[in-house]
Order: sequence, then structure tokens, then C-alpha cells
Amino acid sequence: NAGVTQTPKFRILKIGQSMTLQCTQDMNHNYMYWYRQDPGMGLKLIYYSVGAGITDKGEVPNGYNVSRSTTEDFPLRLELAAPSQTSVYFCASSYRERTDTQYFGPGTRLTVL
Amino acid sequence: QQQVKQSPQSLIVQKGGISIINCAYENTAFDYFPWYQQFPGKGPALLIAIRPDVSEKKEGRFTISFNKSAKQFSLHIMDSQPGDSATYFCAASIGSNDYKLSFGAGTTVTVRA
Repeated sequence: NAGVTQTPKFRILKIGQSMTLQCTQDMNHNYMYWYRQDPGMGLKLIYYSVGAGITDKGEVPNGYNVSRSTTEDFPLRLELAAPSQTSVYFCASSYRERTDTQYFGPGTRLTVL
Repeated sequence: QQQVKQSPQSLIVQKGGISIINCAYENTAFDYFPWYQQFPGKGPALLIAIRPDVSEKKEGRFTISFNKSAKQFSLHIMDSQPGDSATYFCAASIGSNDYKLSFGAGTTVTVRA
């Protein structure tokens, strides 16, 4: 099992550009999450999904979009990148039966200039 | 605002010493309190967790103490080792709310040999 994988590892964007952060898990987990981590702020939930076709907003959803067409994939879309979106982004997943334990990917470091 | 307040921001401890990290919360609906450990360049990983029906949980050198009336919980790392040097996040969630995690700001622990 590769667990939770994220691509790319690093990316630099210009203001106004768009991109998609990829997240894939091979553990057949129902629940998937996107967090952003800013220095001194901990992790904040952006969006989450309880299964294919179902997504919901987290604490900081503005400026982001998600989709969940398969159990394995949960991409995060930035449409008009802003400097405030400079952060490290983590994807996580969990079993429906054990949603209390989340497994995190290695993260994507995004810089918007 | 931060739903879970964590302190200190950083701490340095000698090898063999005790590291103590404290967290406080306001929302009495929280019913699950995990601690995550994060090494540089990696995603967080679940270390230990507690539910409010117990006051203490121990796993090896890691212990969570929980004070429901004070709405506080803490992580104790006994016999700290250089390999424990990492950032530690406390978190809280509500089981009936899909276990969406609210994280503390994090504590960077450095263990000096």
C-alpha cells in the first residue's frame, strides 16, 4: 500500500493562475480531507468528502473547489491563485468505520507570487 | 478563531527529560482528542488519542492527561529521546460531526542529546 499520495511536492504559481493539487489513496477509505498548514496556525480543514460524489465545506473553503468522482481520488482546485493561498496542503483519509483516525499524505508546498 | 489553544509554541528538553504540552478547548461537544506527531517534510501521523470518559491514557512513553471540568488536556513525553524531536499537534473533534478535526497551533519539541 502506498497510502495517501500527493502531487506535486512543490509548486510556484503566479497570482491569478490556477492549478489542481492531486490526492490519491489506495486504502479504500471512504472519507477524505484537505487541510492547509500555515506557520504557527496548525492545520485548518478546507473541504472534505464522505464518499464518491459527496463533498462539503470545512473551515476555510473560500478560493478552493473539490470534486470526488472516485473513491481513490480527491483533487483540490485553486481557480485564481492569491498570495494568501501560499501554504502547505495536506490530504488525509480515513475508514468510515474508524473515521477518528486520519492518515495524512506528505503534503504539497505551494507558493503564490 | 482557534478552537483549540496549544502551548508552548516550542520547547527544548534534555535527553531523558519530560516534555509537557498543554491544550485547552471551549466547545463541550468535543468528544475525541487526538495528538498528531509531524516530522519535517512529512505529513502528521496519529500518535495517541483519548475520549472524555477516561482521565489518562498511556502508550509507551507517551501519556495523555484529560481534565474534563477544566476543558484541558496535555501530552507528556517521558524519557524524551532525540528521535522524539518533532512538531506535536493536539486536536479535537465531534464524532457525530464526521470527526472533523480542529487543530491546535502546534509545539515544536527539540530533544538535546
